Amino acid sequence: NAGVMQNPRHLVRRRGQEARLRCSPMKGHSHVYWYRQLPEEGLKFMVYLQKENIIDESGMPKERFSAEFPKEGPSILRIQQVVRGDSAAYFCASSPRVTDRGNEQFFGPGTRLTVL
Amino acid sequence: GESVGLHLPTLSVQEGDNSIINCAYSNSASDYFIWYKQESGKGPQFIIDIRSNMDKRQGQRVTVLLNKTVKHLSLQIAATQPGDSAVYFCAETRGGYSTLTFGKGTMLLVSP
Repeated sequence: NAGVMQNPRHLVRRRGQEARLRCSPMKGHSHVYWYRQLPEEGLKFMVYLQKENIIDESGMPKERFSAEFPKEGPSILRIQQVVRGDSAAYFCASSPRVTDRGNEQFFGPGTRLTVL
Repeated sequence: GESVGLHLPTLSVQEGDNSIINCAYSNSASDYFIWYKQESGKGPQFIIDIRSNMDKRQGQRVTVLLNKTVKHLSLQIAATQPGDSAVYFCAETRGGYSTLTFGKGTMLLVSP
């Protein structure tokens, strides 16, 4: 049973380019969460999605960032016109249901975005 | 505002010692706390959790203590091993779903 998968693991972009980060949740999981981690910081919540719906995007920057979780395929976190401050590790987590149980949420290995 | 934070950024111990990692939170409405372990290059891994109606919970070699009076959480690791070396985060949630607020992290270094 594969865990949460994220790709690419490492992504390098120049300022002004677009970054697309993908997250495939665990089999049977329909809830996805995206977090951003700056160096030597804890993870910061960005957005919570269910299939085809954004449930909570209170942590998403108002501009340039968007997320989707289509009926088929992975969840996508899209960053347009990247800036150096977007450099961070982006983690995805998934769960099978609405839950606050830590042992029912599973994190992926993260995508490390570097903006030159 | 609400925050979850840690007292010590780095903790160095000898193999076999017991380790204690501390965490403070400021929101008394927090009702569920989780400890995560994050190894280099990996995502957070669940260790143990505790609800606000408890003050202690034990797992395998780990114990979490919750002191609601002073809003303090700790993770105790018994007989620390080199494989325990990682960054440890506390996290809290108050909602009906799992939007987590993470603390800054403590790096645990275990020397053989």
